Amino acid sequence: DTAVSQTPKYLVTQMGNDKSIKCEQNLGHDTMYWYKQDSKKFLKIMFSYNNKELIINETVPNRFSPKSPDKAHLNLHINSLELGDSAVYFCASSQDPQQNTEAFFGQGTRLTVV
Amino acid sequence: AQSVTQLDSQVPVFEEAPVELRCNYSSSVSVYLFWYVQYPNQGLQLLLKYLSGSTLVKGINGFEAEFNKSQTSFHLRKPSVHISDTAEYFCAVTRSGGYQKVTFGTGTKLQVIP
Repeated sequence: DTAVSQTPKYLVTQMGNDKSIKCEQNLGHDTMYWYKQDSKKFLKIMFSYNNKELIINETVPNRFSPKSPDKAHLNLHINSLELGDSAVYFCASSQDPQQNTEAFFGQGTRLTVV
Repeated sequence: AQSVTQLDSQVPVFEEAPVELRCNYSSSVSVYLFWYVQYPNQGLQLLLKYLSGSTLVKGINGFEAEFNKSQTSFHLRKPSVHISDTAEYFCAVTRSGGYQKVTFGTGTKLQVIP
């Protein structure tokens, strides 16, 4: 029943490792997003995909690479993890961003880099 | 580019008292405005949104907000809060039309005191 689901919910890893976070939405939405929320709760968009096509790419290190195999999935792969990557990462989806319909968020993945 | 300012990082309020969470935005073009709520260890959930029309917008859980174009504000109000309203509240803005990114404020922690 979960509309937007992310896995894993918690991820603890060492610096330098490569990790992936998976996201799936069963709402039939065309657009998916990745957001990063830092320790001060500041929420910033990282990427947005519409029908598997990248439409928003904020200033994010190229160690972060999103991949959208189909419009229901948007995975986030992170290479060479750094301490500063520790944050909560939220996946979201929306039906029609041109009408600015609301975004539905997943429950987040808390990434801790040690 | 648009921006959002939430002046209060924390707002303590007694149960059954009214509350107002402040949000001011800046943009040189027409905007859409949103309020989201984040409960502990959860993703964000839409409370209400303003796209056009009536400037008083009613949302879920008894919340409402008023769009004031001259004061560039979109304050969130509830006449009587409940313990379950304790959460982080985010104001967000996006430019109208097309694929526009959503900019979030830094959040206001509402603490309802029994």
